[in-house]
Amino acid sequence: DTGVSQDPRHKITKRGQNVTFRCDPISEHNRLYWYRQTLGQGPEFLTYFQNEAQLEKSRLLSDRFSAERPKGSFSTLEIQRTEQGDSAMYLCASSLLFSRTTLDNEQFFGPGTRLTVL
Amino acid sequence: GESVGLHLPTLSVQEGDNSIINCAYSNSASDYFIWYKQESGKGPQFIIDIRSNMDKRQGQRVTVLLNKTVKHLSLQIAATQPGDSAVYFCADLRGNTGFQKLVFGTGTRLLVSP
Repeated sequence: DTGVSQDPRHKITKRGQNVTFRCDPISEHNRLYWYRQTLGQGPEFLTYFQNEAQLEKSRLLSDRFSAERPKGSFSTLEIQRTEQGDSAMYLCASSLLFSRTTLDNEQFFGPGTRLTVL
Repeated sequence: GESVGLHLPTLSVQEGDNSIINCAYSNSASDYFIWYKQESGKGPQFIIDIRSNMDKRQGQRVTVLLNKTVKHLSLQIAATQPGDSAVYFCADLRGNTGFQKLVFGTGTRLLVSP
């Protein structure tokens, strides 16, 4: 499968614990995005990387959230001291700047990591 | 803030019917719109897009219509199939070539009965 992959697919944790999610984008995609989706709502933008540089962060991304993309390939999203309000689906997407074969704007989404904070 | 929103939360149709899913947007500066399909347990999947210099675009069994005057777009699915059952989101792409993010609406659930 050459699509975007995310791990784990499901995570249940207790309030106050730290969690880390991983995203592997489509190979050679230089743009990577994290979104959060709550039940019945559309995804909301969290943060964006171009290669290894984190270029944009939403105000939704509190200081308990940190994202990295150290080598410009996979990315991790860490949530510290989780709260019940963090329960959501965390989606990763990737796209390729200056693609000749796909829409420059097309973002390919992974299956998401569903987080439940008890 | 400005948002992209949908009129109906759930649409139920019979297999073989045509489906129309509507979306209203408020950002008059939006110039690129995308429809996504999201099946249960999966991430959103690109269906079709349209730029603001167009009023209609067709794909395979899908057509997107854009009415900039009333800030409305719709997704038409011809001969709806059970496999079309999913939540459909409209989204607009905001930003410049340096950074672009998708702003999604709430979504419409399409239920197709055999």
